[in-house]
Amino acid sequence: GQQVMQIPQYQHVQEGEDFTTYCNSSTTLSNIQWYKQRPGGHPVFLIQLVKSGEVKKQKRLTFQFGEAKKNSSLHITATQTTDVGTYFCASDSNYQLIWGAGTKLIIKP
Amino acid sequence: GAVVSQHPSWVICKSGTSVKIECRSLDFQATTMFWYRQFPKQSLMLMATSNEGSKATYEQGVEKDKFLINHASLTLSTLTVTSAHPEDSSFYICSARTDRALGQPQHFGDGTRLSIL
Repeated sequence: GQQVMQIPQYQHVQEGEDFTTYCNSSTTLSNIQWYKQRPGGHPVFLIQLVKSGEVKKQKRLTFQFGEAKKNSSLHITATQTTDVGTYFCASDSNYQLIWGAGTKLIIKP
Repeated sequence: GAVVSQHPSWVICKSGTSVKIECRSLDFQATTMFWYRQFPKQSLMLMATSNEGSKATYEQGVEKDKFLINHASLTLSTLTVTSAHPEDSSFYICSARTDRALGQPQHFGDGTRLSIL
């Protein structure tokens, strides 16, 4: 079945540094959704990408969907403590979401 | 909009007890709800897809007699963990989508932390 691979598992950054997480699939994806889960919380929908090569921005967050619709990335510029959490990508398959493993953003003290 | 309420938030109970978790869509009708289980530091594991008025579709490896799902209305789905044992301790989260069409986001409840002693 369809799988979505997400790396890295963890990323430690100093506050103010950038953060990037990547998702890849061996098959073409119909769409890619991104969610954020704060520690102890539930996933919250951030954005969806549908078109080949699509780029969307939300303030310091930039989301990209590859030309072949097989990969996606989330880039956060100048991280802040409020960005802490785990970021998941997910894609629709048979009306279910196939989830990436998530990337945990950790701000170094 | 698109608020999902899950209750209870925490459950601590003895082994052998059955536990019911409720998931409600407060401001929309959810034809489809999903039940996930999440272990610490891991991703979401889909347990079953709940469709209003029909039987739930369980993922491979999930015991349907152990995890009973009922989706009696467009705003309520319940998950009952029957005769719970310590290995059932986990974080259970429900989600709902407003439309079965592809590309609709899932809206999550706050989750239920289940601890079986």
